[in-house]
Amino acid sequence: RKEVEQDPGPFNVPEGATVAFNCTYSNSASQSFFWYRQDCRKEPKLLMSVYSSGNEDGRFTAQLNRASQYISLLIRDSKLSDSATYLCAVPTYGGSQGNLIFGKGTKLSVKP
Amino acid sequence: NAGVTQTPKFQVLKTGQSMTLQCAQDMNHNSMYWYRQDPGMGLRLIYYSASEGTTDKGEVPNGYNVSRLNKREFSLRLESAAPSQTSVYFCASSEIGHSYEQYFGPGTRLTVT
Repeated sequence: RKEVEQDPGPFNVPEGATVAFNCTYSNSASQSFFWYRQDCRKEPKLLMSVYSSGNEDGRFTAQLNRASQYISLLIRDSKLSDSATYLCAVPTYGGSQGNLIFGKGTKLSVKP
Repeated sequence: NAGVTQTPKFQVLKTGQSMTLQCAQDMNHNSMYWYRQDPGMGLRLIYYSASEGTTDKGEVPNGYNVSRLNKREFSLRLESAAPSQTSVYFCASSEIGHSYEQYFGPGTRLTVT
């Protein structure tokens, strides 16, 4: 299994829809997980951090399934402004040290 | 706070030319990183500096050198550019203990002809 894998999409959804992306990881010792958002021709920006079973921030929910080694990002009530590429990132080592390995990203396009 | 700044924003080089990409952060972060992003390849780590005075290779260091000039600045040098180094280069920084919450600069788009 590759270290971090994501479905590249694109996910094309209408405004108001709920959409979910998954990210699988190979390092079973990983303790923290991250979702970054990258707009077209812009830099990645941290969206959410997941240090335990999950995290919720408004319309965004990140969930962790350690048994199956994947994290998911759920976006409710999608907005046009949510259109972007979503990158999953996992530490190279377990615990709190090491660098990030990024997935290749999942592209989301929200249509009117 | 400007966050992480990078210069230049765009650059075109001929094969064999050299150049230095500059990066600076004003968040007092200890760790800094250089990534390249290519279509279909995602973000790949070139070099990183865990703290001032140290640098280490990442996943794709060949053809690059780095200098951690001080706590704020981390530069990336291409000694002899090759077309395979055409890419978007991002610098990032993070704080010790939160090394996974990285903050990125706006990127440098480099084309090598």
